[in-house]
Amino acid sequence: EVQLVESGGGLVQPGRSLKLSCAASGFTFSNYYMAWVRQAPTKGLEWVASITNSGGSTYYRDSVKGRFTISRDNAKSTLYLQMDSLRSEDTATYYCTRGAGGRLDYWGQGVMVTVSS
Amino acid sequence: DVVMTQTPVSLSVSLGGQVSISCRSSQSLVHNNGNTYLSWYLQKPGQSPQLLIYKVSNRFSGISDRFSGSGSGTDFTLKISRVEPDDLGVYYCGQGTQYPHTFGAGTKLELK
Repeated sequence: EVQLVESGGGLVQPGRSLKLSCAASGFTFSNYYMAWVRQAPTKGLEWVASITNSGGSTYYRDSVKGRFTISRDNAKSTLYLQMDSLRSEDTATYYCTRGAGGRLDYWGQGVMVTVSS
Repeated sequence: DVVMTQTPVSLSVSLGGQVSISCRSSQSLVHNNGNTYLSWYLQKPGQSPQLLIYKVSNRFSGISDRFSGSGSGTDFTLKISRVEPDDLGVYYCGQGTQYPHTFGAGTKLELK
């Protein structure tokens, strides 16, 4: 059974950093693209970043470029999102997702990030 | 960026009824490799989104045949027949053809 379990969320002040982790199991992690998608309170879904299966290529939405870094450790089957210079508009539930053929086929339960002073 | 426009914003349906949700993209979703990476997701209340349909019309593993997807280019439709209580929630279309990946604003399916 595919499982994606996020951790690392919480309350953080504007300008500070936070690192999210996503522990994957139930599939060969190194064979899949992975992505982070977020959802602000009462809002819709917003893709944040993706990473290829090897980690050799990464992609970001413009609003997080230069502030967020997606990475992965295939030996540990873990996906990461390093979030620096956080802003109030980054407040959201962050979902770890598995990418396959242009689709996001499995989603974690989500982790809440609140940016507030 | 590809803008995904979903209509309607909300739908009221009777159990056992049928509904359609439209999704239009601001650009063609046909990839250079010939595939069209248009997916549909359902977010039930209090849950994470789940994949229903991928590449326009392919049902994901375990998804009922009451869900069907169709369309091409920039115009896509999700149909749900014989609506059941477990179908209620917010439906999103999403494109994976080009970065940034984008989603529609969602369609809320409620009981009449």
